[in-house]
Amino acid sequence: SAVISQKPSRDICQRGTSLTIQCQVDSQVTMMFWYRQQPGQSLTLIATANQGSEATYESGFVIDKFPISRPNLTFSTLTVSNMSPEDSSIYLCSVDLLAPLKSYGYTFGSGTRLTVV
Amino acid sequence: GIQVEQSPPDLILQEGANSTLRCNFSDSVNNLQWFHQNPWGQLINLFYIPSGTKQNGRLSATTVATERYSLLYISSSQTTDSGVYFCAVVTSYDKVIFGPGTSLSVIP
Repeated sequence: SAVISQKPSRDICQRGTSLTIQCQVDSQVTMMFWYRQQPGQSLTLIATANQGSEATYESGFVIDKFPISRPNLTFSTLTVSNMSPEDSSIYLCSVDLLAPLKSYGYTFGSGTRLTVV
Repeated sequence: GIQVEQSPPDLILQEGANSTLRCNFSDSVNNLQWFHQNPWGQLINLFYIPSGTKQNGRLSATTVATERYSLLYISSSQTTDSGVYFCAVVTSYDKVIFGPGTSLSVIP
């Protein structure tokens, strides 16, 4: 299956600042997604990163807070803006692979563990 | 939207024991995956199983799509099996919805 590199792996940030998380895939993919996992919780989809157009956000998530870029088929960034302690979570990117790797399903990066102080 | 339930929410096993984890979903789905999240947060893809049965070593999974459930079997459990097991369904809109997870602890 594909290799997904996510950076940074962890960070501690001051409230009010912003952090940009990068997701790089070693093969072209059709769809890229960003998820949030709050402490002790399951994963929640933030948005779908669309190549060449604006991201599609899920209910409860807005572009001003979580701007997303996807300049090509293998790279995306998620920015967590104006952070507060409630943003402390693991953020993960996920991809849907093109055939013939599609049978592996959705693959996830190793995650970014964010702590806001 | 589709609801995904998992049971049990927590499970403690003695090393070497077997277990069955269950995932129920409320509507038809295009696909279903099982993931293991280890204590370091890494999410590992275990099975991509829209229907039928698959096996990989000590793990196997069965999905009965017509009855909207999937089972994950762990045999001869090891301490490295500890972590959280998530079931995730893929909807007709290509969205992945995660269940709440089963937290497994395997003790020596």
